[in-house]
Amino acid sequence: EDQVTQSPEALRLQEGESSSLNCSYTVSGLRGLFWYRQDPGKGPEFLFTLYSAGEEKEKERLKATLTKKESFLHITAPKPEDSATYLCAVQAKGGSYIPTFGRGTSLIVHP
Amino acid sequence: DTGVSQNPRHKITKRGQNVTFRCDPISEHNRLYWYRQTLGQGPEFLTYFQNEAQLEKSRLLSDRFSAERPKGSFSTLEIQRTEQGDSAMYLCASSFTAGGYNEQFFGPGTRLTVL
Repeated sequence: EDQVTQSPEALRLQEGESSSLNCSYTVSGLRGLFWYRQDPGKGPEFLFTLYSAGEEKEKERLKATLTKKESFLHITAPKPEDSATYLCAVQAKGGSYIPTFGRGTSLIVHP
Repeated sequence: DTGVSQNPRHKITKRGQNVTFRCDPISEHNRLYWYRQTLGQGPEFLTYFQNEAQLEKSRLLSDRFSAERPKGSFSTLEIQRTEQGDSAMYLCASSFTAGGYNEQFFGPGTRLTVL
């Protein structure tokens, strides 16, 4: 069974204080790993897809990296508007494209 | 492209009543997914359609839940005889699945409260 564990569960940062969120996964052959951002009361917003170990993607202050066992979402010089829950999900090869989601990391950035 | 839309955004009902939610996917997307999300949890898969065919249902989906996607366009999720444990955010997502690319794009969700 595919498993996704995200850590920490919650993270408080000061504006400008860079940090990383972790997503550890167990899957029988990775098709893709996805990062989403979710604001309170809203649906998840797609950020990145990573397909193979060593791959990196960037968007504004966010950078996602992937190894064979985990992915990191690096947040550089965060701003209060980066406050949200960040969700990680994995899709296994040979399956039905149904992702398994982690419980998310709740990020609060204080001004 | 207006994105995935869901209606209603909020629904309050009494235990035992039936409710129906609607999802309109991104127009060119061939797959449509339903998820349920409770506080502090990630989305949990319920069911998905490829075009009009319902291809998979989670064991979480009891016989009180039914979903349809007539003509491969919009989809509806009905919950019969609602229970307090059904209170959650119901999310719809769509994707265009071809060549290994399968990013799912989510709608805003329908928040269900069962009293």
